[in-house]
Amino acid sequence: DAKTTQPPSMDCAEGRAANLPCNHSTISGNEYVYWYRQIHSQGPQYIIHGLKNNETNEMASLIITEDRKSSTLILPHATLRDTAVYYCIVRVARGAQKLVFGQGTRLTINP
Amino acid sequence: EPEVTQTPSHQVTQMGQEVILRCVPISNHLYFYWYRQILGQKVEFLVSFYNNEISEKSEIFDDQFSVERPDGSNFTLKIRSTKLEDSAMYFCASSTTGSPETQYFGPGTRLLVL
Repeated sequence: DAKTTQPPSMDCAEGRAANLPCNHSTISGNEYVYWYRQIHSQGPQYIIHGLKNNETNEMASLIITEDRKSSTLILPHATLRDTAVYYCIVRVARGAQKLVFGQGTRLTINP
Repeated sequence: EPEVTQTPSHQVTQMGQEVILRCVPISNHLYFYWYRQILGQKVEFLVSFYNNEISEKSEIFDDQFSVERPDGSNFTLKIRSTKLEDSAMYFCASSTTGSPETQYFGPGTRLLVL
């Protein structure tokens, strides 16, 4: 699986959009970009994934650059409950394939 | 919305004792996983399981560990003789056979070995 690089920490004001970057310059053509988050010591929570098109769901938007070497997770109106560690993971999306977690980005939403 | 459940939420055991951690995956999922997270460290993959056999295991998953799907709903992780370094949060996850596959995690079991 391709390696990802994320900033170790970020801050965002409550109500503003949080934009979390991820670099994955060695991504292969069949690898997807997945985002998970972990609030305190809870189980990782799936947020969104994409292959090459931008994606949006009820939680977030995912913007993938045209060359697929980087992506940005956007939380449009961050709340205090969005304070968590966010993980960008690149992987082939078929069953039984492990998720490889890095250190992620610790996002702190400030009131 | 269906979710992965795990029991117990907390387990305290003495070194050398056997523990069994239990998971109920989402009902129509066919791939099952265990991960662990030592306090302050990254989430680490332990094992994946499909069609009643192990698909992949990590170096952490040595002979002290085993997994089983004893019936149609439970998925268990057994540690035969616990060590102090087995203290961690253990997360179960499950996924469907669809593509792209997405794993959903349970809330975890906090294991403390004394």
